[in-house]
Amino acid sequence: DIQMTQSPATLSAFVGDTVTITCRASQNVRYWLAWYQQKPGKAPKLLISDVSTLQAGVPSRFRGSGSRTEFTLTISSLQPDDFATYYCHQYEDYSTFGQGTRVEI
Amino acid sequence: QVQLAQSGAEVKNPGASVKISCKASGYTFSNFFVHWVRQAPGQGLEWMGMINPTDGVTTFGQRFQGRVALTRDTSTDTVEMDLSSLTSDDTAIYFCARAAGTAPFDYWGQGTLVTVSS
Repeated sequence: DIQMTQSPATLSAFVGDTVTITCRASQNVRYWLAWYQQKPGKAPKLLISDVSTLQAGVPSRFRGSGSRTEFTLTISSLQPDDFATYYCHQYEDYSTFGQGTRVEI
Repeated sequence: QVQLAQSGAEVKNPGASVKISCKASGYTFSNFFVHWVRQAPGQGLEWMGMINPTDGVTTFGQRFQGRVALTRDTSTDTVEMDLSSLTSDDTAIYFCARAAGTAPFDYWGQGTLVTVSS
């Protein structure tokens, strides 16, 4: 099984900050990497697919990058609505999620 | 619009089984795999398994093999997840989600809370 290691577990930031979340895969997942946002009591929402493809309606301040085993999600100019938990997800070999990163004020 | 509507919350005793349904609408059911993901209280997302609605072929994560079953009904565009031998560790929210082959999960159900308690 492919393991996904996400860091940090918690990230404290201010509105307007730029934050970066990292996800490392235990083996090459090529470009089959997605990022989700989850708010309390809600299902995850797909933000980015295939490493860097922004989903329709997702603000351009969200950016994904990386390849093979190292990936990052960058959120620029953090907005109040962005405070949530973020998960990476590999779908190269079935599915595995990272442990999540809580972005708090 | 695409929707995955899940059945309601369940409370079960240890050792029992639980069955959760996920009814798809707004798209061609056979064109997307249906996956199941669970989330224990305060914890992250854990992939359980998936079913191909076209042929009913299933694949499960190692932790769940032998304890989970997925079935589909193409007449009602519904997938059912059956989890057996429940323990308190199975207390979680269970989500269904769809994916088009090697793809992320673009639509999710609303989640079903399963509580295992004596």
